[in-house]
Formats: sequence, C-alpha cells, structure tokens
Amino acid sequence: QKEVEQDPGPLSVPEGAIVSLNCTYSNSAFQYFMWYRQYSRKGPELLMYTYSSGNKEDGRFTAQVDKSSKYISLFIRDSQPSDSATYLCAMRITGTASKLTFGTGTRLQVTL
Amino acid sequence: GAVVSQHPSRVICKSGTSVKIECRSLDFQATTMFWYRQFPKQSLMLMATSNEGSKATYEQGVEKDKFLINHASLTLSTLTVTSAHPEDSSFYICSAQEGEKTQYFGPGTRLLVL
Repeated sequence: QKEVEQDPGPLSVPEGAIVSLNCTYSNSAFQYFMWYRQYSRKGPELLMYTYSSGNKEDGRFTAQVDKSSKYISLFIRDSQPSDSATYLCAMRITGTASKLTFGTGTRLQVTL
Repeated sequence: GAVVSQHPSRVICKSGTSVKIECRSLDFQATTMFWYRQFPKQSLMLMATSNEGSKATYEQGVEKDKFLINHASLTLSTLTVTSAHPEDSSFYICSAQEGEKTQYFGPGTRLLVL
C-alpha cells in the first residue's frame, strides 16, 4: 500500500462545475499538507498549504484536512478550462529537510 | 508566492558530456533545496536533498558520482549530470524551502541526451 493514495483520473468536468480532488494517507506523522498544480512540461505550482487539520480558502480554491480520517481534499469552484492540469497532493512530517510524499496526481480536464 | 528559477529550461547534449543545471531562489533564502526527476505521465521522483554548505543526501538508487549537487549559497544549488547518456534524458525539477515553510518548485529543465 502506498503512503499516499490519489485517484489518477482523468477527471472530466464541464466549465463552471465544482471539482473535488482527494487524497488519503497512512502516515499519522504527516503535519503539513499541500496541493500543487502542474501543467504539462512545467514545474508544480503551489496552490494551497495547510498545517494540521482544518479548512483553508483562497479564491476559488478550498483545502480541507481531516487528520482523524487521514483524508485531504481540494475543492475548485467555478472551474475554468485553464484549470485543466494535473493536481498533486503532497505531505510531510515536521523538520526542515523532511521530504515531500506525493500522490500520483489527478489529471483534470475542464471542458467548454 | 516565492519564486524559484531554473536555467537552462531546455538542453540538448551529446552522449558523454556533462550538463550543469542551476536552481535559484529569487526572493527568499533556501535553507534546503531538493532535486527531482520526472518521466512522462509519472509523478516526481526525489533524487537528493541538500542543505546550504553541506553535502547532499541522495535517495536510494541515485548515483552521487553521476549527479553532482552543490548547494553553495542560500540562493543557489546546481545539479551536474556527468557523462550523460540517453537514459538520463528526463525532466529535472528543483525545489527550494526556507526553514519549515513549504517547498516552491522551479519551472524545470528538459534534458535530451543524443
């Protein structure tokens, strides 16, 4: 079993839809949780960064962390064709040099 | 957000030559930098972690003599692929982190070895 599980998709939604992306994990020591967006042939771009449990909102994006269930989510409201990309969840334990553990990434396609 | 740059963005070289890739944090001090490689349609694979002024820590299976990493300052790390071969062709991405803050990624360098 992988430390972080993420459905690879592809996930296809119409423009304007609410998108829900999820990851589950097994290591209870994870404290920092991130969502990155990666366009083809580009480096990952940080979307959301959360410490421990709770919700965080930034524009059209909302990140949720439920440590009791070892489950994190990213919601995208009013999805746009420009949101079409691969979304990577990532997490790590505390420590300045601690490594990120990534999900496999979910490929999202927002259609007109 | 914080900005990380990489240079070059794309490089083509002949088999047997060495290639150096630079990674810079432009507006923060990167106490830790990470180097990844990514094959098409796959997730990022961590190659090594480096702290400023220290030797890099390589992941299992990554040849340290082939992939030389130098983290000379708080804003610059370099990855040198020595004696590159076609199987080293890949997308190389660096990331930088300040203290306990999150990692910010560079735009990546596409290496093609002929």
